[in-house]
Parts: sequence; C-alpha cells; structure tokens
Amino acid sequence: QVRLVQSGAEVKKPGASVKVSCVASGYIFTAYYIHWVRQAPGQGLEWMGIINPGGGNPTHNAQKFQGRVTMTRDTSTSTVYMELSSLTSEDTAIYYCARELRQTCYFDYWGQGTLVTVSS
Amino acid sequence: EIVLTQSPGTLSLSPGERATLSCRASQSVNSRFLAWYQQKPGQAPRLLIYATSSRATGIPDRFSGSGSGTDFTLTINRLEPEDFAVYHCQQYGGSTLYTFGQGTKLEIK
Repeated sequence: QVRLVQSGAEVKKPGASVKVSCVASGYIFTAYYIHWVRQAPGQGLEWMGIINPGGGNPTHNAQKFQGRVTMTRDTSTSTVYMELSSLTSEDTAIYYCARELRQTCYFDYWGQGTLVTVSS
Repeated sequence: EIVLTQSPGTLSLSPGERATLSCRASQSVNSRFLAWYQQKPGQAPRLLIYATSSRATGIPDRFSGSGSGTDFTLTINRLEPEDFAVYHCQQYGGSTLYTFGQGTKLEIK
C-alpha cells in the first residue's frame, strides 16, 4: 500500500537549520510529485513547495520560503528531503509531505507529519 | 495569489443533521483544481473531494462537493460521529501556487 513515512520530531535553536525526510513506498516514486505543507499550532495548512522526484520541473518553493527552503530527492531510496534554514519561533509547526499525481493538483496521500520545535 | 476564505469558522451540529461548509475564493478557480480535506486531531489531512465534486477512494457518498467560479461547497448529509473534524479547502491557481483555506471546525452540538 502507499506509504509516506517521515522522520521524527526535532528541536532546534533559532538560527539553525532542520532537515526532514519523507520515504515513499508502495508506488512508482518518480510518477508523483511530492509537496511539503506545514501547520503551525492551532492554525491552518500552509503550502511550502513542490519537488518532482523524477527531476526537472516543477520544483518550486512558495515565495514566502524562497532562499530558506531546499528540497532534494534520492531516487535510490525513494526519499525526499526538505531543509529549512534560519529557523525562528514562527517556524514551529508540524511539517507534512504529501503526494500529487502529476498535474492533478491535489494531494491524495500524506505523511504522518514531523513536529519541528524552534526554541532557545 | 488566490486567497480562500472558509465559513463558518466553527459549525455546531448534531449527528444525523446536514452540514454545509463554504469556501470562497478571491478570484475565479478552475473547478478541476479545487479539493477538500478532512483532518482529525493528531492526524494528517485526508483527501475527501477533488476536482470540486469527485469523491476520493473510500469516501462515503454522504460527502459531496459542488460549486464553480469563486464559490464552492462541501455538504455532509446525515452526520456520523466520525465526521466531526476540521475541513480544509485547497486550490491550485497556476504558476505552481497552491493555497488552503483557514479551515472549518465541525463540532458536536
């Protein structure tokens, strides 16, 4: 069955970086885009960016995160990574990876979420 | 960027009743690119509806979506206890821009 399994919770200090992984299984890794979506405590969902595990476009970050987010993939392990730098307390959130069948523009499977806490 | 506004913020209903949730866009949305998700406490969102009115795999037919242009609706008939959750709408507006509404909490009255 389709699974997206994310890495565990992280606690980081302001100014640091965090790297979250998302391991895909149960489907052809390169046939689906992977998105990153975050949710601050008690808040709604916020789209962060998209990566094409097959390489090339679209790989794009939301303007709000330009210069701070790097998304990469390792096809040998069917893993996508999201690294967020220059963390502040406002980056405290649950980070989700989610799958999109190419050009359908909705997310049919989600990872379980990774809590990132930024605190001094 | 297209802004999605969901209303009401909180909806209090009893099991067996019908829920009507609204999602209004600041600009016209292609109906192919409007989706709804359900999220329960401590869980990831789950896809309910895509392309405005198509139910995702395994979603009961008491869930239905409708709308066009800037106004979209999620209707849940005959509410079951497991339906009480937060519901999010989401759209794709081109140029690799995806946005979500702020969510509607459906709670038991």
